[in-house]
Amino acid sequence: EPEVTQTPSHQVTQMGQEVILRCVPISNHLYFYWYRQILGQKVEFLVSFYNNEISEKSEIFDDQFSVERPDGSNFTLKIRSTKLEDSAMYFCASSESSGSAYNEQFFGPGTRLTVL
Amino acid sequence: AQKITQTQPGMFVQEKEAVTLDCTYDTSDQSYGLFWYKQPSSGEMIFLIYQGSYDEQNATEGRYSLNFQKARKSANLVISASQLGDSAMYFCAMSSRRDDKIIFGKGTRLHILP
Repeated sequence: EPEVTQTPSHQVTQMGQEVILRCVPISNHLYFYWYRQILGQKVEFLVSFYNNEISEKSEIFDDQFSVERPDGSNFTLKIRSTKLEDSAMYFCASSESSGSAYNEQFFGPGTRLTVL
Repeated sequence: AQKITQTQPGMFVQEKEAVTLDCTYDTSDQSYGLFWYKQPSSGEMIFLIYQGSYDEQNATEGRYSLNFQKARKSANLVISASQLGDSAMYFCAMSSRRDDKIIFGKGTRLHILP
């Protein structure tokens, strides 16, 4: 069964460093997402991406964040200068379609980011 | 704005009993979808069940069923014959026709007791 994969599973970084979180969405999916879950809290939407453009972003997704689809398979989230409060689990998701109420998004296993 | 409310932060249930996890939602959209996800201690998000706002019948997937009461804006998850492996965090979530994103509730941590 196709699945979304994410690397690395755990990333530890120093405050102020740049990190890139990588995701490989399901191959025939066209819509890609990043979500964040701070430990013990709910999952929060960060950004959605379609046709090489951001389609929607939350207020969390400020200038320190960027997304890219550098090739036909990878989807990346970059945090330019990490802060302590960026420590969280980051989930990538993909879906086949959008614009409907049934928008099943398949989630990856997550990358746990720890900022020291 | 859309909102999901899960009022049970934690629940303890005896193995083999049925359990109901509560979820209420708020939206002004007419067309929307409701989801339940399971998050075990390993951290991944596992899709369990989906209910569309226009679906007349309650969704079922194996031991999971969704008790959808549209007028009350509730979408409770029912797990029949609970198992030890059901111990996890459970999130109720929704999407709408207008939005790409999925909005999550704060979750309910379910503990199944042997």
